[in-house]
Amino acid sequence: QKEVEQNSGPLSVPEGAIASLNCTYSDRGSQSFFWYRQYSGKSPELIMFIYSNGDKEDGRFTAQLNKASQYVSLLIRDSQPSDSATYLCAVNAMYSGGGADGLTFGKGTHLIIQP
Amino acid sequence: DVKVTQSSRYLVKRTGEKVFLECVQDMDHENMFWYRQDPGLGLRLIYFSYDVKMKEKGDIPEGYSVSREKKERFSLILESASTNQTSMYLCASRTSGRLPNEQFFGPGTRLTVL
Repeated sequence: QKEVEQNSGPLSVPEGAIASLNCTYSDRGSQSFFWYRQYSGKSPELIMFIYSNGDKEDGRFTAQLNKASQYVSLLIRDSQPSDSATYLCAVNAMYSGGGADGLTFGKGTHLIIQP
Repeated sequence: DVKVTQSSRYLVKRTGEKVFLECVQDMDHENMFWYRQDPGLGLRLIYFSYDVKMKEKGDIPEGYSVSREKKERFSLILESASTNQTSMYLCASRTSGRLPNEQFFGPGTRLTVL
């Protein structure tokens, strides 16, 4: 069973600080990694994806990937109250013996940015 | 602009009713998915489809069936709704193989079974 693990939180961070969200995955064959943000009552929306070891930056967001440790993280700099949401880590997975591919999701980390 | 739409945002049904949830995507994606999301349980895959008329069971298919007669449309059917199927239902679509192949989600249907 392929698994994606996240700390459920809540993770409370002061406004303006760096929020650090972590994720581990079990399938060493996974090649692509995604971070989704989900506001309460809304559907998940993609904020970052990463394929290669190292860091990838997009505005205030940085995704970090370490395939040897099977670890993915998301850093949010200058955290804003609008960043308060649940963040889902997702990892690609093959279904049906290779007939289809999709994403396996963690249960999400609830992030609270305190004004 | 990519789009996944779902037929209803909110739905209230009675126990025993047959319920249809419709999902349409305009991105010509091969793969489509149905999830349910419950507090503390995360996203759980119900069924997926990788081609027209093809369907595969996900992690929790019991009590559900699906239909994919056209590439753009994927329907979830609750044969006889029960109260434990009260949940948020999310449809998603994804291209196959070509990176970044993210999954795009619809807005969700909040189903309440009384």
